[in-house]
Amino acid sequence: AQSVTQPDIHITVSEGASLELRCNYSYGATPYLFWYVQSPGQGLQLLLKYFSGDTLVQGIKGFEAEFKRSQSSFNLRKPSVHWSDAAEYFCAVRHYNTDKLIFGTGTRLQVFP
Amino acid sequence: EPEVTQTPSHQVTQMGQEVILRCVPISNHLYFYWYRQILGQKVEFLVSFYNNEISEKSEIFDDQFSVERPDGSNFTLKIRSTKLEDSAMYFCASEPGQGYNEQFFGPGTRLTVL
Repeated sequence: AQSVTQPDIHITVSEGASLELRCNYSYGATPYLFWYVQSPGQGLQLLLKYFSGDTLVQGIKGFEAEFKRSQSSFNLRKPSVHWSDAAEYFCAVRHYNTDKLIFGTGTRLQVFP
Repeated sequence: EPEVTQTPSHQVTQMGQEVILRCVPISNHLYFYWYRQILGQKVEFLVSFYNNEISEKSEIFDDQFSVERPDGSNFTLKIRSTKLEDSAMYFCASEPGQGYNEQFFGPGTRLTVL
């Protein structure tokens, strides 16, 4: 069955530190890959997406993610975290012939000054 | 910037009652979705809707659920007889068209069934 795993439920970093949020997927073929962010009381906002081509994709708010086919991973990174990045981050996948997004359980990011 | 809106932000209902959750998708979008997130669990797909009919639905979306686009702007999710386990955050999303591959999400409606 298709699944998305985010192994880290909760991560705490200091402001200015680098960040990497992990995402692994289980799928028959390379799906479309997404990272969403959810701030308290807000909907899910798309940070970035990968369909094909360059395996390093740039997103909004200074985030990037790297697709590694051999590891079935799509980890999200940011070189220097800001306090406003505190939120919940969701990795999601979608197969090309289906409508639905399949989400991971999310990683809650806490940022300390 | 256009955005998906949802009303109400919080709905409390008694078990067995019918509820209707409302969404206004982004104008000119063609695909519409409902997802839900039970507290502490992952966001789950419920249903997709295109060209005035259900395009895809999950096993969660049983006969108790229905969707409708009654007037060309609203997109509603009806739960006929709510159960305690329907308590969740319900997200509406819309997408411009096939192949665009970005679903724009609303802020959600928190449904509490007592």
